[in-house]
Amino acid sequence: QVQLQESGPGLVKPSETLSLTCSVSGGSISSYYWSWIRQPPGKGLEWIGYIYYSGSTSYNPSLRSRVTISGDTSNNQFSLNLRSVTAADTAVYYCARDPTGDHWFDPWGQGILVSVSS
Amino acid sequence: QSALTQPPSASGSPGQSVTISCTGTSGDVGGNNYVSWYQQHPGKAPKVMIYEVSKRPSGVPDRFSGSKSGNTASLTVSGLQAEDEADYYCSSYAGSNNLVFGGGTKLTVL
Repeated sequence: QVQLQESGPGLVKPSETLSLTCSVSGGSISSYYWSWIRQPPGKGLEWIGYIYYSGSTSYNPSLRSRVTISGDTSNNQFSLNLRSVTAADTAVYYCARDPTGDHWFDPWGQGILVSVSS
Repeated sequence: QSALTQPPSASGSPGQSVTISCTGTSGDVGGNNYVSWYQQHPGKAPKVMIYEVSKRPSGVPDRFSGSKSGNTASLTVSGLQAEDEADYYCSSYAGSNNLVFGGGTKLTVL
């Protein structure tokens, strides 16, 4: 079955760029929608955005000015770049698949905690 | 956009039923049938329990059911079991390729 695994630095300095990669196994990213979702410690979930296999993207309006999601079909992975981070961007970041394009997520990666601190 | 509104907590005894609400607007919950529900145990990734208002993915017990009326969606857990104790989040398509989550409900099995 499809499995997702997030990777990247666990600590980022304020004003720098947070960069994460989601590696997909058991299936190809050349189909479906692939999303990033985050969860600040002790708080709720926030959708960040998605990339479609065609390369089209959509982002949460509240983050759109700072976010880029890109895909790498040759390595079967997709990535998140979040620019100009602050402490408010400290969160567990999850990648997930939308299996039908109907705005639900299954499966999810295990998540990666990224802290923003100097 | 604002998060969908969920009660912070809900509880029930084993064997009982509990319903968790998720209130939005005509721009999200009330305007489409793309409401889903997720269960999250401490330290774990969320798991989908319901999608498209009332559909259950393979492997999810039929004790979990979803419905919607107007701008409010609901998740009902029947025959509560200890393993159902978790946080539950709703989400809805909000138009313009945007998606919004609820603030989450902590379900306690007494």
